[in-house]
Amino acid sequence: AQSVTQPDIHITVSEGASLELRCNYSYGATPYLFWYVQSPGQGLQLLLKYFSGDTLVQGIKGFEAEFKRSQSSFNLRKPSVHWSDAAEYFCAVGDVKAAGNKLTFGGGTRVLVKP
Amino acid sequence: GAGVSQSPSNKVTEKGKDVELRCDPISGHTALYWYRQSLGQGLEFLIYFQGNSAPDKSGLPSDRFSAERTGGSVSTLTIQRTQQEDSAVYLCASSLSGRKYQETQYFGPGTRLLVL
Repeated sequence: AQSVTQPDIHITVSEGASLELRCNYSYGATPYLFWYVQSPGQGLQLLLKYFSGDTLVQGIKGFEAEFKRSQSSFNLRKPSVHWSDAAEYFCAVGDVKAAGNKLTFGGGTRVLVKP
Repeated sequence: GAGVSQSPSNKVTEKGKDVELRCDPISGHTALYWYRQSLGQGLEFLIYFQGNSAPDKSGLPSDRFSAERTGGSVSTLTIQRTQQEDSAVYLCASSLSGRKYQETQYFGPGTRLLVL
């Protein structure tokens, strides 16, 4: 069965600094990978997704992620964090063997932004 | 256009009571998913509907949980004889067809359930 690990439960970063959130997956085939963000009291919003092709994926809000098959990783990055980026971030893998695209999520990383 | 909506936003119930949670997907989306977000288990898949096909119930944690989707649109998740461990945020998502793995799932704001 597939699984997703986000090693960092909390990350604190200063506004304007760079951010990198780690994601490691376990999956028996080519993975379909997603990053979602959840702001307080809000649902999940898709930041970006990877299926094939270029391993560096650009998303919304200035985020990007890099797929590294050799490391089973899909880390999320942002060069300069804004206070509005304070939220919880979830990495997920899609189960292509299922009838539908069921997502398996990591435990999430909560990002705090210091002024 | 309108996104996925869920009601109620919050629900407090007593242990042993039944609850119904409602999800209105994005118009035209044939695939609908329920997930649960709890402190102990994180975000986990519960059930998936695609058009008129039989739902994938593989994520339902017990037979106290059931879900329906009427007319291929609105869905109701029912929890019978609620237990304290059912306390969680229940998230609904929809996607256009559910048949393409790169499809984006659009999530609703969730229903926060507290079982006393």
